[in-house]
Amino acid sequence: RKEVEQDPGPFNVPEGATVAFNCTYSNSASQSFFWYRQDCRKEPKLLMSVYSSGNEDGRFTAQLNRASQYISLLIRDSKLSDSATYLCVVNIGNYGQNFVFGPGTRLSVLP
Amino acid sequence: DVKVTQSSRYLVKRTGEKVFLECVQDMDHENMFWYRQDPGLGLRLIYFSYDVKMKEKGDIPEGYSVSREKKERFSLILESASTNQTSMYLCASSFAGTGYYEQYFGPGTRLTVT
Repeated sequence: RKEVEQDPGPFNVPEGATVAFNCTYSNSASQSFFWYRQDCRKEPKLLMSVYSSGNEDGRFTAQLNRASQYISLLIRDSKLSDSATYLCVVNIGNYGQNFVFGPGTRLSVLP
Repeated sequence: DVKVTQSSRYLVKRTGEKVFLECVQDMDHENMFWYRQDPGLGLRLIYFSYDVKMKEKGDIPEGYSVSREKKERFSLILESASTNQTSMYLCASSFAGTGYYEQYFGPGTRLTVT
């Protein structure tokens, strides 16, 4: 079983739709959680850190369920510019040294 | 804003050449990382460093070495480039310590070995 798993995708949604991505992790020593977006042939860029109480940034909402070892990302009112691959990332242990990346879920927002 | 820079965006080298990829960060981060990213394989850790002159092997260190002589600079060395090292190379950095420390990436170097 992979340490971090994500919805296989791709997701093709119309503009304005709401889309949700799921991620599960297997290591209970995971301490911190992140969503990154990666555009084609570019570097991953931090989208959101995922806090235990859940957090929201504009159209984006992230949730964490430690008991179920599950993380989600909700995008409301999708824009064409949201088209990208979304990476779920887990930091295991302390000291910011062990980041485990999910395989990514590709999103295409269609006009 | 955190800035991580890499010495080249695109690089073409011949088989057997020694290749140096440089990465510089300006946020005084303790941790620095080198990854490669290939289609269908995701990001794979080559090496990371948690301090000057300190390094740890990642998942795929074979064929690579690293150097960290200064805190802000982390170099990846391909001792004798091979075609299977054609890839996108990504450098990243993060703070160390307990708490929520995100990882920040450089723009990547797309290396082609012919």
